[in-house]
Amino acid sequence: DTAVSQTPKYLVTQMGNDKSIKCEQNLGHDTMYWYKQDSKKFLKIMFSYNNKELIINETVPNRFSPKSPDKAHLNLHINSLELGDSAVYFCASSQDRHQEKLFFGSGTQLSVL
Amino acid sequence: AQTVTQSQPEMSVQEAETVTLSCTYDTSESNYYLFWYKQPPSRQMILVIRQEAYKQQNATENRFSVNFQKAAKSFSLKISDSQLGDTAMYFCAFRSLIYGQNFVFGPGTRLSVLP
Repeated sequence: DTAVSQTPKYLVTQMGNDKSIKCEQNLGHDTMYWYKQDSKKFLKIMFSYNNKELIINETVPNRFSPKSPDKAHLNLHINSLELGDSAVYFCASSQDRHQEKLFFGSGTQLSVL
Repeated sequence: AQTVTQSQPEMSVQEAETVTLSCTYDTSESNYYLFWYKQPPSRQMILVIRQEAYKQQNATENRFSVNFQKAAKSFSLKISDSQLGDTAMYFCAFRSLIYGQNFVFGPGTRLSVLP
């Protein structure tokens, strides 16, 4: 059983489209995250939710909107996709916001044409 | 704000040899966590090893060990008896214990293990 699963693994779309990436964790963790990994492999936090409450919201364009329907799910919706949004997006979870270990999903490679 | 630096963008090592990856960080906190994560070509991020800053003893996990120098803010990873499966990007990461703070990752070191 996959601990942190995100879908889809690959997403190819045109500029201007709206797309969503879904993430689910079956570890019973309270805290979930979205990270962006750019073409140079640099990983940067985008958002963090603890028990459905937003606790970290880095400087990310308003076109990115996370949604957490329950603590096991954290989806990422992106409006009006731009070329610069092309990256690998990782979902991750930790037991709570104080826990030191991150468990990552396998990533979603987004390509905006 | 904390920063994490990995000064070696790429490294290579012969199979069965030992290699050390460097990491330095900057923080004013006295307690925190440090990690090494591995990202093989499969893209999956895998935790290799972690260290609590309040522990003086260096962490070890099988062939992986760290050299944690708190005063120097240095956290290097040593891989002994390198295997082909160790080929991956390696990320050093810092975890603050302050509420609202998060993991900060270094830029990564691409390690190639050569047969």
